[in-house]
Amino acid sequence: QKEVEQNSGPLSVPEGAIASLNCTYSDRVSQSFFWYRQYSGKSPELIMSIYSNGDKEDGRFTAQLNKASQYVSLLIRDSQPSDSATYLCAVHCPPNTGGFKTIFGAGTRLFVKA
Amino acid sequence: DVKVTQSSRYLVKRTGEKVFLECVQDMDHENMFWYRQDPGLGLRLIYFSYDVKMKEKGDIPEGYSVSREKKERFSLILESASTNQTSMYLCASSRGRLGYEQFFGPGTRLTVL
Repeated sequence: QKEVEQNSGPLSVPEGAIASLNCTYSDRVSQSFFWYRQYSGKSPELIMSIYSNGDKEDGRFTAQLNKASQYVSLLIRDSQPSDSATYLCAVHCPPNTGGFKTIFGAGTRLFVKA
Repeated sequence: DVKVTQSSRYLVKRTGEKVFLECVQDMDHENMFWYRQDPGLGLRLIYFSYDVKMKEKGDIPEGYSVSREKKERFSLILESASTNQTSMYLCASSRGRLGYEQFFGPGTRLTVL
């Protein structure tokens, strides 16, 4: 059973701080990794994708991937109250006897306190 | 701009009714997906399609069927709605080979009484 694990939170950080969200996955040959933001009552919105080891930066967001440790993280710099949401980690697993699909973690709730 | 639309935001149906949920994408994406999202259970894949008239079962296909007659449109059908199918239903699409990022529609909150 392929799994994607996230701490459900809530993670609470003060405005202006760095929020660090973590995700581990079980399938060693996973190839594509995504972070989605989901506001309450809304659908998930893609904010970052990462395909190779290392860091990828986009504005205040940085995704970090370590395939050897099967670990992907999302850093949010200068956190704002508008960043308060649930963040979903998603991992795409390549074809195998069980088929191939994207597996979503259950999400980490982030609160940014003004 | 990327756009996935779903036929209804909110829907209330009675047990035993046949329910149609429709999803349309305007991005010429090959792949389309139906998920349901429940508190504490996260996103669960019901069915997906990687081409017109093609469909594959996801993790929880029981009680559901799908139809993809045109590339831009993917329908989810509940043959006989039951109360345990009360949920948020999310449609998504992605381009090319499976493994690229998925874009989600706004969701349909279905209540079965």
